[in-house]
Amino acid sequence: GEDVEQSLFLSVREGDSSVINCTYTDSSSTYLYWYKQEPGAGLQLLTYIFSNMDMKQDQRLTVLLNKKDKHLSLRIADTQTGDSAIYFCAVRDDKIIFGKGTRLHILP
Amino acid sequence: GAVVSQHPSWVICKSGTSVKIECRSLDFQATTMFWYRQFPKQSLMLMATSNEGSKATYEQGVEKDKFLINHASLTLSTLTVTSAHPEDSSFYICSALGGVDEKLFFGSGTQLSVL
Repeated sequence: GEDVEQSLFLSVREGDSSVINCTYTDSSSTYLYWYKQEPGAGLQLLTYIFSNMDMKQDQRLTVLLNKKDKHLSLRIADTQTGDSAIYFCAVRDDKIIFGKGTRLHILP
Repeated sequence: GAVVSQHPSWVICKSGTSVKIECRSLDFQATTMFWYRQFPKQSLMLMATSNEGSKATYEQGVEKDKFLINHASLTLSTLTVTSAHPEDSSFYICSALGGVDEKLFFGSGTQLSVL
């Protein structure tokens, strides 16, 4: 079945850019999502990209999709303390599969 | 934007009782809803996929008689944890698929604690 992998931790200095990476196995994935989860809360949809797109930018967020390598990344520009959370990537074919989440820690 | 309302936010119950969790899509129709379970510091585990008007599709290892899912309308799905036990304590999250772009929106989650 589909497997979605992401690194578990990322530490970034405030003001720098954060890049969270995700790889997946199913090339037929049609939609790819990024979610943010703050402590004790549900998931907030940050952005998504269709499989026929290479890049999508939304304010401080940039999503890059490399279909050949099955690699998805989320770049957060000018990282702030409020960006501290767990970020999940998810891919969808007939069902939606999540990665284990990347905990983003902001250094002062 | 689209909103998914999940209720209750938290519930404490005695072992052996049943608990119902509701998931509503407030401003869109959701033909498909998903139920996830999340253990502390772990990822989301898909429990089942619920399509309006039909039986839910359960993932391997999820007991369908224990986790009853009903998707009676295009805006409401319910998850009932029957005869709850302490090992069922977890954070349960629903999500709904909807809109032109078929975005996936999540409820705020339900923290279930079984004593």
